[in-house]
Amino acid sequence: GDQVEQSPSALSLHEGTGSALRCNFTTTMRAVQWFRKNSRGSLINLFYLASGTKENGRLKSAFDSKERYSTLHIRDAQLEDSGTYFCAAEGGTNTGKLTFGDGTVLTVKP
Amino acid sequence: AQTIHQWPVAEIKAVGSPLSLGCTIKGKSSPNLYWYWQATGGTLQQLFYSITVGQVESVVQLNLSASRPKDDQFILSTEKLLLSHSGFYLCAWSLPRGQDTQYFGPGTRLLVL
Repeated sequence: GDQVEQSPSALSLHEGTGSALRCNFTTTMRAVQWFRKNSRGSLINLFYLASGTKENGRLKSAFDSKERYSTLHIRDAQLEDSGTYFCAAEGGTNTGKLTFGDGTVLTVKP
Repeated sequence: AQTIHQWPVAEIKAVGSPLSLGCTIKGKSSPNLYWYWQATGGTLQQLFYSITVGQVESVVQLNLSASRPKDDQFILSTEKLLLSHSGFYLCAWSLPRGQDTQYFGPGTRLLVL
C-alpha cells in the first residue's frame, strides 16, 4: 500500500537557524498535509498542498507529486517551534485516506 | 466558525467491555468525516470515513464499527474491547467536495486493561 517515509526522525536546531523536513512517497500522491502535534496529542494544520509551494511566516512547504516528495522548511527557528511534525499524504482513492509519516521531533535550543 | 468536539476526553475500560466514542462537528454542513487511531508508539492510521448520513466505509479492520446517525455526528464503537484497542482516537472532518484539508478534533485517549 501507500507508504510515507519521513526524515529525519529527530532534529535539533539552535535558535535563529533553519532546516528542512522531508517526506518521500512510494506512490503518486494527490495532496499532502503537514501538521504539528499539540500538547494534547491532536494535530494542528500547517499546510495543505495539491502542488507547488506555500509559505506561512517562517514555514514553507513544497510538494512535487511527480517526484513523490514534500518538504517543510523552517527558518529562523524559535524555541516555541519545538514539537513533533507530521506529514500526511492523500493517495488516489476517494476515501480521503491520509497516510501519515512517523513524525519528526524538532528541538530548538537557545 | 467550525468546531469539532470529541468525547470522552479519556477512558479506561476493561477488556471485553463495550465502547462508544463520539465526535460532533458544528458549523459545517454535510462534511466528510473520518476516524483515525494511533496505537502507543505507532503511526496514525485511518479507520473509517463517511461522506453522508448513514453511510460509513471501513478502511482498516480492527473489530471496531462506526456509524453516522446525524449529519454532524460520528460514532466509533465496539461491543467487546481488546487490549490492542488502546491508543489515541482522532476524529477529523473535511469539506464535502473531498480532496481538501482535514481538520482534527482534540482526540480521545483510551486505555484497555
